[in-house]
Amino acid sequence: GAVVSQHPSWVICKSGTSVKIECRSLDFQATTMFWYRQFPKQSLMLMATSNEGSKATYEQGVEKDKFLINHASLTLSTLTVTSAHPEDSSFYICSAKGMGKAFFGQGTRLTVV
Amino acid sequence: EDKVVQSPLSLVVHEGDTVTLNCSYEVTNFRSLLWYKQEKKAPTFLFMLTSSGIEKKSGRLSSILDKKELFSILNITATQTGDSAIYLCAVEAGTSGTYKYIFGTGTRLKVLA
Repeated sequence: GAVVSQHPSWVICKSGTSVKIECRSLDFQATTMFWYRQFPKQSLMLMATSNEGSKATYEQGVEKDKFLINHASLTLSTLTVTSAHPEDSSFYICSAKGMGKAFFGQGTRLTVV
Repeated sequence: EDKVVQSPLSLVVHEGDTVTLNCSYEVTNFRSLLWYKQEKKAPTFLFMLTSSGIEKKSGRLSSILDKKELFSILNITATQTGDSAIYLCAVEAGTSGTYKYIFGTGTRLKVLA
């Protein structure tokens, strides 16, 4: 099956700093990747859709200047949380579409202190 | 607005019981419906359904889609403690180049020994 690798799996950062999360499709090319945020005991909330070579499409209520998405190649998308604050602490998951299905990375648990 | 609703929100059963999880949706430009199982980290793929009335089976799990009534069910027979997880229903919707996956709230299943 298709493999999506997300890195890091967890990160702790200080308030005001920026954090970059990488999402790679290892054995297939993904023209589209998706970034989700998940709060405890809740479902996945779509933040943005990332298309290779073009600007990401953000969902309503998601600040594009705060959550910078770059999809520079067919196998890599990055999410940068800029000027992170404690309320940004969450579980972030990426997914990529391959063979008609969405496959997920392992997720990144971000804690901002 | 596109919407995916799952029920029940949570369920506690005993080993050996059979459970039925529900997913209803209202989306524009439906493409497919997917079921995922999420334990500790990223969701793992279970089924993808695109046609009405065709049951998909994998061991003790099965799923079916009704595109007329806009719902799907996921059945788990002879439940085991290892089936304890959050089960997520997602609908892929949109047109070529602008599709996305919309997730339901999830059903939290706990199977007691």
